[in-house]
Amino acid sequence: ETGVTQSPTHLIKTRGQQVTLRCSSQSGHNTVSWYQQALGQGPQFIFQYYREEENGRGNFPPRFSGLQFPNYSSELNVNALELDDSALYLCASSDGTPNQPQHFGDGTRLSIL
Amino acid sequence: QKEVEQNSGPLSVPEGAIASLNCTYSDRGSQSFFWYRQYSGKSPELIMSIYSNGDKEDGRFTAQLNKASQYVSLLIRDSQPSDSATYLCAGAASGGSYIPTFGRGTSLIVHP
Repeated sequence: ETGVTQSPTHLIKTRGQQVTLRCSSQSGHNTVSWYQQALGQGPQFIFQYYREEENGRGNFPPRFSGLQFPNYSSELNVNALELDDSALYLCASSDGTPNQPQHFGDGTRLSIL
Repeated sequence: QKEVEQNSGPLSVPEGAIASLNCTYSDRGSQSFFWYRQYSGKSPELIMSIYSNGDKEDGRFTAQLNKASQYVSLLIRDSQPSDSATYLCAGAASGGSYIPTFGRGTSLIVHP
């Protein structure tokens, strides 16, 4: 069984640039959620995709956008990067069944200079 | 606003002791609760899920849920230095978008 994979593992960008992060969900999982985790904080929910449709969104501005592909992999796009966007970005997948836990990928560490 | 509260710690316990990690939640609609372990610089790893009031045991780990008090805890018996990590509590409500809300985590240090 293939777990959740994310790419890249590390990324350095400058303010104002745009970034795309990628996630492949665990085999058999159709739901992908993205989280931002700042240092010393818990994961903050960005949005969730279920079968290619956005299924919920957290308190993040519109410059955070995403999509899910037919194979259930997903992308997170962030435009007009700000210094506060520096964080660990986590992707988690689940099988879409209520009450089932999410399983996380190793994350992408994004640093904004 | 749905909130999950955890004491950030650090909680320091000697090797072999019982570590007790606590979590409270504000959303009475929460039905499912999860404990994740996160090593520094790594991603969260699922340890336990609990859905019903009472205790659930898995090896050295016991999760406890009290919905009336809106309280979840994780006990780690025979703590080992390798248990040193941040422990994240998450709760999710049934129905609609099933999206867990995470606490900020409790840092656990197990010293030899």
